[in-house]
Amino acid sequence: DADVTQTPRNRITKTGKRIMLECSQTKGHDRMYWYRQDPGLGLRLIYYSFDVKDINKGEISDGYSVSRQAQAKFSLSLESAIPNQTALYFCATTASGRLDEQFFGPGTRLTVL
Amino acid sequence: AQTVTQSQPEMSVQEAETVTLSCTYDTSENNYYLFWYKQPPSRQMILVIRQEAYKQQNATENRFSVNFQKAAKSFSLKISDSQLGDTAMYFCAFMNRDDKIIFGKGTRLHILP
Repeated sequence: DADVTQTPRNRITKTGKRIMLECSQTKGHDRMYWYRQDPGLGLRLIYYSFDVKDINKGEISDGYSVSRQAQAKFSLSLESAIPNQTALYFCATTASGRLDEQFFGPGTRLTVL
Repeated sequence: AQTVTQSQPEMSVQEAETVTLSCTYDTSENNYYLFWYKQPPSRQMILVIRQEAYKQQNATENRFSVNFQKAAKSFSLKISDSQLGDTAMYFCAFMNRDDKIIFGKGTRLHILP
């Protein structure tokens, strides 16, 4: 089984809808991250969490919110989706004692019509 | 602001040749990590190689090696004996002391048969 899983893997939705992307990890890591990838722009950090009670905004947090329900779960929400949020979204995890290793989920392809 | 620049949006080489992907970064920090990630068409993010800034010796992983020039803030990736399976998008990345990773915009590499 994969160490970092994301659901759904693909999603098509309409403008204005609320969407939640979920991430779960079995690695026991305390640090979790959400990125979005756009063609030609690489990966950009949306939010990150160093433990259940620690949530931080990243480079492009506007229009997004997150919830760290447990050490193993970190969800990303789009309260009212808009077309320019169409992108590939990645969750990643890191152990605080091993900051040189970041493990990525398989990605969620989100299309907002 | 810390930045990562990959000056080659796209490259093509013949199978079995050696190819070098360029990366430069900007930081005032002295201790940090640098990474190269591979993203094949499956879109999974795969760590290829990492370098700790305080280590002068260049990292090597089988056919992959880096040329790390700390003073010049340069971190290039060399792929020797390139294979068709090396076809992918390659991202250079930098981890800062806030434990966030900053990605370059990527280089799309095509290995031609």
